[in-house]
Amino acid sequence: DAGVIQSPRHEVTEMGQEVTLRCKPISGHDYLFWYRQTMMRGLELLIYFNNNVPIDDSGMPEDRFSAKMPNASFSTLKIQPSEPRDSAVYFCASGNGADTQYFGPGTRLTVL
Amino acid sequence: GENVEQHPSTLSVQEGDSAVIKCTYSDSASNYFPWYKQELGKGPQLIIDIRSNVGEKKDQRIAVTLNKTAKHFSLHITETQPEDSAVYFCAAYNFNKFYFGSGTKLNVKP
Repeated sequence: DAGVIQSPRHEVTEMGQEVTLRCKPISGHDYLFWYRQTMMRGLELLIYFNNNVPIDDSGMPEDRFSAKMPNASFSTLKIQPSEPRDSAVYFCASGNGADTQYFGPGTRLTVL
Repeated sequence: GENVEQHPSTLSVQEGDSAVIKCTYSDSASNYFPWYKQELGKGPQLIIDIRSNVGEKKDQRIAVTLNKTAKHFSLHITETQPEDSAVYFCAAYNFNKFYFGSGTKLNVKP
């Protein structure tokens, strides 16, 4: 298996623009997690899905952030409008149970 | 909610020496404690884990110990090698969520 796939690996955008991050989980996994990593706050859970259904989005910082999982093999995290403080590395992880996680390589987002 | 504290934040050892990283947690409901290794430009990778009904687990050069009474757990790496240099994160799991420590940057000097 190729593991969790994320795209793009790097994204540079200007403040106010819409950003969409993409994730393909490992086939057969029923949980999908989105994390944000910064030096100041470490690894923060933003949202997680079970069987494509959002279960807990309490970590989503504000309404500018939204996440979807239209099917078992694809998820998106969208930021609209983006702000400089959104600059971070965003990780997607999937698991075959709530207590397992395999992380993707991450997307480094820079908002100018 | 759960609070996981990790220390030290940086650790420098000589190749061949042992390294120990410690974490404490606050919620007695936490029942699963994984450790992740993150190399530069990559996502965290699970290296070892322990569940609350076990006190110690070993996998070759790495081992994890858990003290439920004191609510702390530790990662032990023996015979360190330069390729062990990375950032290590501990985590505690409960109610379908992982709570991560702040990370330890391990530098193994050849």
